[in-house]
Amino acid sequence: NAGVTQTPKFRILKIGQSMTLQCAQDMNHNYMYWYRQDPGMGLKLIYYSVGAGITDKGEVPNGYNVSRSTTEDFPLRLELAAPSQTSVYFCASSGEGGAPYEQYFGPGTRLTVT
Amino acid sequence: AQSVAQPEDQVNVAEGNPLTVKCTYSVSGNPYLFWYVQYPNRGLQFLLKYITGDNLVKGSYGFEAEFNKSQTSFHLKKPSALVSDSALYFCAVRAHYGQNFVFGPGTRLSVLP
Repeated sequence: NAGVTQTPKFRILKIGQSMTLQCAQDMNHNYMYWYRQDPGMGLKLIYYSVGAGITDKGEVPNGYNVSRSTTEDFPLRLELAAPSQTSVYFCASSGEGGAPYEQYFGPGTRLTVT
Repeated sequence: AQSVAQPEDQVNVAEGNPLTVKCTYSVSGNPYLFWYVQYPNRGLQFLLKYITGDNLVKGSYGFEAEFNKSQTSFHLKKPSALVSDSALYFCAVRAHYGQNFVFGPGTRLSVLP
């Protein structure tokens, strides 16, 4: 299993540009999450999904959009990049059951908006 | 609302000494608690979790954590630290009836040779 994969690893955007951060998992997990990690800070939840076709906002959703057309993929879209979106973005997935499973994280995408 | 506090930004310990990384939480009802480790330029890796049962939980790489309900704490411990344990450690909580995890700000552990 590759686990959770993210592309690209690094990206520099100009203000106002758009891009999609890709995330895929091969563990057949229903739950998927997008976080951002700012320097010296913990993780902030942007969006999450509990299954294909179902998404919901997290703590900091403004400026982002997501879709979940398949179990495997959970892309994150930035429509109009702003310097405040400079951060490291992590995708994660987890299984489901009577008790919560731990999350598996991707390696992250380092995004700079200038 | 859920929250997690990690009161120490940085913990320094000598190799071979015991280490403790502190975590306190706030959540409605019973919590699910997790510890993750992050090495430089990497994603977070799961260490251990508390769901129910025994308050002392054992995890990967010799780490363990003790759940204390009265003190709402879940401190991470290791009897003998290694230089390779140096990393950023995150505590996370999830409520029994919630779907989301809330992470603490992280504690940087430095193990000195």
